[in-house]
Amino acid sequence: SQQGEEDPQALSIQEGENATMNCSYKTSINNLQWYRQNSGRGLVHLILIRSNEREKHSGRLRVTLDTSKKSSSLLITASRAADTASYFCATDRGGSNYKLTFGKGTLLTVNP
Amino acid sequence: DTEVTQTPKHLVMGMTNKKSLKCEQHMGHRAMYWYKQKAKKPPELMFVYSYEKLSINESVPSRFSPECPNSSLLNLHLHALQPEDSALYLCASSQGLAVSSYNEQFFGPGTRLTVL
Repeated sequence: SQQGEEDPQALSIQEGENATMNCSYKTSINNLQWYRQNSGRGLVHLILIRSNEREKHSGRLRVTLDTSKKSSSLLITASRAADTASYFCATDRGGSNYKLTFGKGTLLTVNP
Repeated sequence: DTEVTQTPKHLVMGMTNKKSLKCEQHMGHRAMYWYKQKAKKPPELMFVYSYEKLSINESVPSRFSPECPNSSLLNLHLHALQPEDSALYLCASSQGLAVSSYNEQFFGPGTRLTVL
């Protein structure tokens, strides 16, 4: 079963607008990461937030983590057409049996 | 060099063929991964190698056989595949599997596999 569940499944916005994607998970985690995937390509790591962090920024990206609600959000500000991609959250539980589990993803379309 | 390379980019094979997918990284990473991704789905973990030893096998059918000849290379040997095995196969690497370490994974572009 999927550890992470993103919503919305698909999001279409205009260039310049902000895009917010959410991720929920079911078990305790060590880290939560966000990845981007352009169509049919490999994934690109965007940002990692540790379980003891609540917010993190990287350029136009802002990630929040609420461990009490087992949820995270990814905000992309001032979106560009080049941001069009699928976005996945991924969680790991740490420990010796390391495994990164991906959510179902949000397909973001930024219209020029 | 922060790149993970995968060859071939595309592969078409019959159900009786034997083929191999290759993955290479020169970042000194000690953990390497194989994922399978179907269209419009998230990547699913198949295998994890840590320090060239198989660490995780996610109950993958034996027609998929991983191999890690050295710390930079990871192969996936394919034999007697089924049409439902058609997918994008992604390789990734990370620094290691240590608890609480920073475990960003670097992904290759993938091999698009079609089984006829």
